[in-house]
Amino acid sequence: DSGVTQTPKHLITATGQRVTLRCSPRSGDLSVYWYQQSLDQGLQFLIQYYNGEERAKGNILERFSAQQFPDLHSELNLSSLELGDSALYFCASTIGAGGRETQYFGPGTRLLVL
Amino acid sequence: ILNVEQSPQSLHVQEGDSTNFTCSFPSSNFYALHWYRWETAKSPEALFVMTLNGDEKKKGRISATLNTKEGYSYLYIKGSQPEDSATYLCAFLKSWGSSNTGKLIFGQGTTLQVKP
Repeated sequence: DSGVTQTPKHLITATGQRVTLRCSPRSGDLSVYWYQQSLDQGLQFLIQYYNGEERAKGNILERFSAQQFPDLHSELNLSSLELGDSALYFCASTIGAGGRETQYFGPGTRLLVL
Repeated sequence: ILNVEQSPQSLHVQEGDSTNFTCSFPSSNFYALHWYRWETAKSPEALFVMTLNGDEKKKGRISATLNTKEGYSYLYIKGSQPEDSATYLCAFLKSWGSSNTGKLIFGQGTTLQVKP
């Protein structure tokens, strides 16, 4: 158990809908990262937040947005869902903002868009 | 585009065999290289974070080396056991100067299957 929690574990929804994925980092960690794992692709970095501010952005679609709240939990919002958004979404956390720390991954949310 | 390549894509070995995999990454603007172990139905688990050219790290039967000048890292498993069966991912972190981030670029992984 990494100490990172994600909810829900599974999500099934229809095209065009909007969903929110939630992540709580390890106690004391200030950075949260979001990743997408699709069937035909490796782990893709989406976005990083550090202490409430956006720190780095990957190839995150405009239909996707994220935020980190004062209590440091983060939410990833996916809207106008398409079949291709079906994937495993992980969040990870670290104490600092830089990249020389181990990232601790949550259990993931498996999203299925029908 | 930053490319992180891992080889082989998959590997089948017998219990007791030693094995190694390769991770290739850009040799310029290096900041860090991460290795993760990802078992089926679980989440990636960190093995090593490597930062210096010539770094060697060890965790039990697993060790890794780093060559930042030529852009590669090797992961070695000595005396493979069935519980070592997993996908091994490497991830490259580019230096962004004064304001670094945790924007990891992952390779596609090497899937290891160890037969008893």
